[in-house]
Amino acid sequence: DAGITQSPRHKVTETGTPVTLRCHQTENHRYMYWYRQDPGHGLRLIHYSYGVKDTDKGEVSDGYSVSRSKTEDFLLTLESATSSQTSVYFCAISESLKGYTFGSGTRLTVV
Amino acid sequence: KQEVTQIPAALSVPEGENLVLNCSFTDSAIYNLQWFRQDPGKGLTSLLLIQSSQREQTSGRLNASLDKSSGRSTLYIAASQPGDSATYLCAVPSGGGADGLTFGKGTHLIIQP
Repeated sequence: DAGITQSPRHKVTETGTPVTLRCHQTENHRYMYWYRQDPGHGLRLIHYSYGVKDTDKGEVSDGYSVSRSKTEDFLLTLESATSSQTSVYFCAISESLKGYTFGSGTRLTVV
Repeated sequence: KQEVTQIPAALSVPEGENLVLNCSFTDSAIYNLQWFRQDPGKGLTSLLLIQSSQREQTSGRLNASLDKSSGRSTLYIAASQPGDSATYLCAVPSGGGADGLTFGKGTHLIIQP
C-alpha cells in the first residue's frame, strides 16, 4: 500500500547480531503495529504503538523492542537475533473507520 | 482471549462457482470485522471492513456478512475466477481498544481454470 512502506524487504543476518526493521507511514495514523507470520501460527502481534513514545507489548514480544520517535516511523529491533526469529514481519497502521492497512512485509532469515 | 476460526482451511473449485468462506469468533463484543486477501509471498490486502452496526458489506463480486450475536461472518464470492486464488483471512479486534487484530489461520482457495 502506498501509505505504508517497510524496509528492508529481505534480510539475512547471523545469529546474535542486532537487526532493526523500519516501518514508515504517510497517513498520519496514530496506531501502528508489528506482526510476524509463521506457518502453522498465522499472524501474531509483537508490539504496537498508540502514539509517539507510547508502545505496548503484544502476544509474542520476547526478544523484540520497538521505538516510535515520530508519528510516521515505527522501528522493530531484534537485540540479538535467533533462528526462531526467522519469519516474515508485517507492519500495520489503523484508523477506526478504515480498519487496518498492512505493509508488504520484510522476510528475515537468521542463520 | 479472542479466538478466530476459519472453515474450510483449504478449498479447490472450478472456475465460475459461487463460494462461501466461514469465520467464527469467540468474543462477540467486537466493533468491526475485517476480511483480507493474501497472495503467496505478498502482504495483506484489505477486502471488506464491516462495522458492528452493519450486517453486510459488498465490493464487486464479494459480499461479507456479520452476525455478532452468533459470533460468525461469511465471505461470499460470486462467479469465482482463477485470479481469486489466494489465502483469505478474517480478523477481529483483540480487545476493546486499538490493541491489534486477532486473525484466523485463513482459507487457502484455489480456483481451477
